[in-house]
Amino acid sequence: DVKVTQSSRYLVKRTGEKVFLECVQDMDHENMFWYRQDPGLGLRLIYFSYDVKMKEKGDIPEGYSVSREKKERFSLILESASTNQTSMYLCASTPTGTFSYEQYFGPGTRLTVT
Amino acid sequence: GNSVTQMEGPVTLSEEAFLTINCTYTATGYPSLFWYVQYPGEGLQLLLKATKADDKGSNKGFEATYRKETTSFHLEKGSVQVSDSAVYFCALSDRGGYGANSKLTFGKGITLSVRP
Repeated sequence: DVKVTQSSRYLVKRTGEKVFLECVQDMDHENMFWYRQDPGLGLRLIYFSYDVKMKEKGDIPEGYSVSREKKERFSLILESASTNQTSMYLCASTPTGTFSYEQYFGPGTRLTVT
Repeated sequence: GNSVTQMEGPVTLSEEAFLTINCTYTATGYPSLFWYVQYPGEGLQLLLKATKADDKGSNKGFEATYRKETTSFHLEKGSVQVSDSAVYFCALSDRGGYGANSKLTFGKGITLSVRP
């Protein structure tokens, strides 16, 4: 089974802190994604990566950056956390090859910024 | 750009009731369509998918048919169970761009509660 793991289920940080969210997948997938999930807004794509050291902005990249140094690991970075970044963050991965492939999701990290 | 519209929620049903969750989309070309489900405290998992017009996806008693003429992908189940209580997301794939062949556009999601 494909497994996508995220470093924390719950995280509490203070405003202005630098925050790292880690995601690891074990199926050698090329594509990895970071979403945030908010009530009434669904899932919104923050960044995605289609190869090591490659990244592309999603729909809401402001205030975030990413790092993909190894194929299996995709990190989301909040350079200076703010209260409006309190949210559920979901990581996903999928192989390259056809647009009909499903995305495999991690369990999510619920981040609270105080 | 692409978009997915889901009916407003939440939805509360009694066990064994019939379920329909509406989903319509806007896209250029011929996207693939998906329903994902999120059980409490978990990430999303694929429920079913359809990759071309008139395809029917099915899983765990749920069904959805890819209707190109009405740009719809409504989710149905004949008899819901308490264990179906979850959040349901409709999504479509984005075919464009290098490496972006699996980028998804999601609807806002709808919460289903099934009471015994």
